[in-house]
Amino acid sequence: GQQVMQIPQYQHVQEGEDFTTYCNSSTTLSNIQWYKQRPGGHPVFLIQLVKSGEVKKQKRLTFQFGEAKKNSSLHITATQTTDVGTYFCAGRGSTLGRLYFGRGTQLTVWP
Amino acid sequence: GAVVSQHPSRVICKSGTSVKIECRSLDFQATTMFWYRQFPKKSLMLMATSNEGSKATYEQGVEKDKFLINHASLTLSTLTVTSAHPEDSSFYICSAPGLVQETQYFGPGTRLLVL
Repeated sequence: GQQVMQIPQYQHVQEGEDFTTYCNSSTTLSNIQWYKQRPGGHPVFLIQLVKSGEVKKQKRLTFQFGEAKKNSSLHITATQTTDVGTYFCAGRGSTLGRLYFGRGTQLTVWP
Repeated sequence: GAVVSQHPSRVICKSGTSVKIECRSLDFQATTMFWYRQFPKKSLMLMATSNEGSKATYEQGVEKDKFLINHASLTLSTLTVTSAHPEDSSFYICSAPGLVQETQYFGPGTRLLVL
């Protein structure tokens, strides 16, 4: 069955350092979404990538979708304490298919 | 943006009792809603897809008789955990698809503790 793997599971960084989390799918994805879940909170939609090789930016966050549409990454430049939380990727096998969530990367930022 | 609410936010119950969790879309209609389960420090596990006016679609391994889903209207879906046991303790989250970018709007979640 479809699987979405996400690494690393945990990441601890000093404030100001960069952070990257990676997602890899066993099959080609129709699109991939990224969510952020703060401690004790619920997932909040960040962005969706659809096109092969697509790159999108949101301030300090850069999202990439691989050429083969099987992998994706989220990069945060110069992390801040407000970036703390768990970042999930979620991929769809087909346009209207269900979302398959990665296990998430829990980011801790030390001040 | 679209808002999804859940009620209750926390519930503690005795083993053997049933618990109903409500998921409402507050400013939009949702013909489909999704129910997830999340264990501590784990990812979201899709349990079932709730369909307004028809039966829910359950994921493999999810007992439909234990987790009853009713999508009574275009803004309300309910999940009833029947004869709850301690192993059912978890964080249950619902979501509804938005109109833009196929995103999902998640409810705040319900923490269930079965004693």
